[in-house]
Amino acid sequence: DSGVTQTPKHLITATGQRVTLRCSPRSGDLSVYWYQQSLDQGLQFLIHYYNGEERAKGNILERFSAQQFPDLHSELNLSSLELGDSALYFCASSVRTGRETDTQYFGPGTRLTVL
Amino acid sequence: AQSVAQPEDQVNVAEGNPLTVKCTYSVSGNPYLFWYVQYPNRGLQFLLKYITGDNLVKGSYGFEAEFNKSQTSFHLKKPSALVSDSALYFCAVRDRRSNDYKLSFGAGTTVTVRA
Repeated sequence: DSGVTQTPKHLITATGQRVTLRCSPRSGDLSVYWYQQSLDQGLQFLIHYYNGEERAKGNILERFSAQQFPDLHSELNLSSLELGDSALYFCASSVRTGRETDTQYFGPGTRLTVL
Repeated sequence: AQSVAQPEDQVNVAEGNPLTVKCTYSVSGNPYLFWYVQYPNRGLQFLLKYITGDNLVKGSYGFEAEFNKSQTSFHLKKPSALVSDSALYFCAVRDRRSNDYKLSFGAGTTVTVRA
């Protein structure tokens, strides 16, 4: 168990809908990362937050947004869902030490199915 | 730009035999390199990382990896494979000069260890 928790484990919804995925980082970790794992695109970095501030964006669609709250948990919001958004969404966390060698520890993921 | 190639989709070995999972990388600067393992319906588990120093890195569960700068490789090895090592293995890279902390993952290699 990495100490990173994600809810829900599974989510089934319809096209056009909006969902929110939640992540709680390991105790003490300030950085949260979101990744998408799909069969056709593999593991893709979406976004990185550090202590409440957005630090980097990857291949994240405009329909997707994220935030990190004062208690350091993070939410990934996916809207106007399409069939192609079906994937496994991972959250990872790390401690930023300033030496940029931090290991990212991954949660168990949320499996999103869009019907 | 940073990328990872895992040239083998699948690796099959007999229990007790050596296991090698190949990884080559491409970064503009010097790399940080990581190996993760994913068991069915689970998140990614960190195995080991190369930051600097000794080219041979030892990690969890008896795994090790050798960093080879001239060949831009970071192959994962285990001297004696177990059936329980059967899983999906991912190599990941981050450019030291990058400020976004994102990991770029390979497509993954499925390891099957037969009894």
